[in-house]
Amino acid sequence: AQSVAQPEDQVNVAEGNPLTVKCTYSVSGNPYLFWYVQYPNRGLQFLLKYITGDNLVKGSYGFEAEFNKSQTSFHLKKPSALVSDSALYFCAVRDMEYGNKLVFGAGTILRVKS
Amino acid sequence: NAGVTQTPKFRILKIGQSMTLQCTQDMNHNYMYWYRQDPGMGLKLIYYSVGAGITDKGEVPNGYNVSRSTTEDFPLRLELAAPSQTSVYFCASSYLQFTYYGYTFGSGTRLTVV
Repeated sequence: AQSVAQPEDQVNVAEGNPLTVKCTYSVSGNPYLFWYVQYPNRGLQFLLKYITGDNLVKGSYGFEAEFNKSQTSFHLKKPSALVSDSALYFCAVRDMEYGNKLVFGAGTILRVKS
Repeated sequence: NAGVTQTPKFRILKIGQSMTLQCTQDMNHNYMYWYRQDPGMGLKLIYYSVGAGITDKGEVPNGYNVSRSTTEDFPLRLELAAPSQTSVYFCASSYLQFTYYGYTFGSGTRLTVV
């Protein structure tokens, strides 16, 4: 079965500093990887995806993610964090079972302090 | 453009009561999903549908039922509510070729069973 792991429950970063939210994956075959963000009392919003091609994927709100096949990682990054980036972030991978469902990690809380 | 609409946003149920969580999408998406979100556990798939008239179980279907009589609607039915069903429920939808577009999520229903 496909799976993703987010090793950090929470990441704290100062505003203006770079941020990284970590994700590792375990899949059979080529991975289809996603990042979603959830703001309080809201649904999940799509940030970016990796299907194929360049290992550096650019997404919404200035976020990017680096796909690393040898390390089976798909870390989310942003060069300069904003307080408004504070939210819950989910990494996900496609599983071809269950109608192409997404398998989600447990989530990482990002806190950006001014 | 409403996207995915879920009602109600909040609900408190007593043990043994029943209710239906409503989900409607206006994007003509083929695939629809119901997930539950528990703290520190990510999202778990309850049921999914690949089109009107077709539904199937996900990872955690016990205690739930669904129907898909139209493309737009995918209600989730809870029979005999139990405290273990206290959770936040998300409905999501996607095109057949979801890998290019990801999922669109509703804003969620927060359910408490007491």
